[in-house]
Amino acid sequence: EAGVTQFPSHSVIEKGQTVTLRCDPISGHDNLYWYRRVMGKEIKFLLHFVKESKQDESGMPNNRFLAERTGGTYSTLKVQPAELEDSGVYFCASSQVFVGGSGANVLTFGAGSRLTVL
Amino acid sequence: GESVGLHLPTLSVQEGDNSIINCAYSNSASDYFIWYKQESGKGPQFIIDIRSNMDKRQGQRVTVLLNKTVKHLSLQIAATQPGDSAVYFCAELTQGGSEKLVFGKGTKLTVNP
Repeated sequence: EAGVTQFPSHSVIEKGQTVTLRCDPISGHDNLYWYRRVMGKEIKFLLHFVKESKQDESGMPNNRFLAERTGGTYSTLKVQPAELEDSGVYFCASSQVFVGGSGANVLTFGAGSRLTVL
Repeated sequence: GESVGLHLPTLSVQEGDNSIINCAYSNSASDYFIWYKQESGKGPQFIIDIRSNMDKRQGQRVTVLLNKTVKHLSLQIAATQPGDSAVYFCAELTQGGSEKLVFGKGTKLTVNP
């Protein structure tokens, strides 16, 4: 089966511009997660969708970040306007069931979208 | 606050040696722990996990040890191979609570031939 697909793989933008990252989860996976790794630091949770609903968005850093999952399929993460500290790698992951109940081996990560803000 | 940290940011070993990667966590409520491997250009890949009712779990060439008394987690890789070179992250989760994984900063493992 196809894995989690993220696009673009790398985006370079100027401070103040807008960028939209896209994630296509594994087909049939209701749970979709966004994480990001700022350079040299830990991977941090951003938010969790169950189908089209935001289950947990406690990790979203500020209102410059907007995540959507219309129709419960693919998801987008928009950063507007981008700041220098937004640079990093944004990972998407999906699972069919809750990780907490079933174990992390049900969770599949995408390769990430690297964002560079100049 | 919740945090998962690593003792060493980098680790260099000779091919064939055993590797030990350490991790400290601070949330005593966490009851599920995972090790991930991230290779360049790829996303984190599940290696092995352990629940808090265990102190050791073995996989193929990997062993995870959990010491709840000192909130310490380690990943042991036997007979390290060049293909093991990657960044390794520990992560924790509180089952039945939020679905968010809390990751450590990562340790970069380099295997020298």
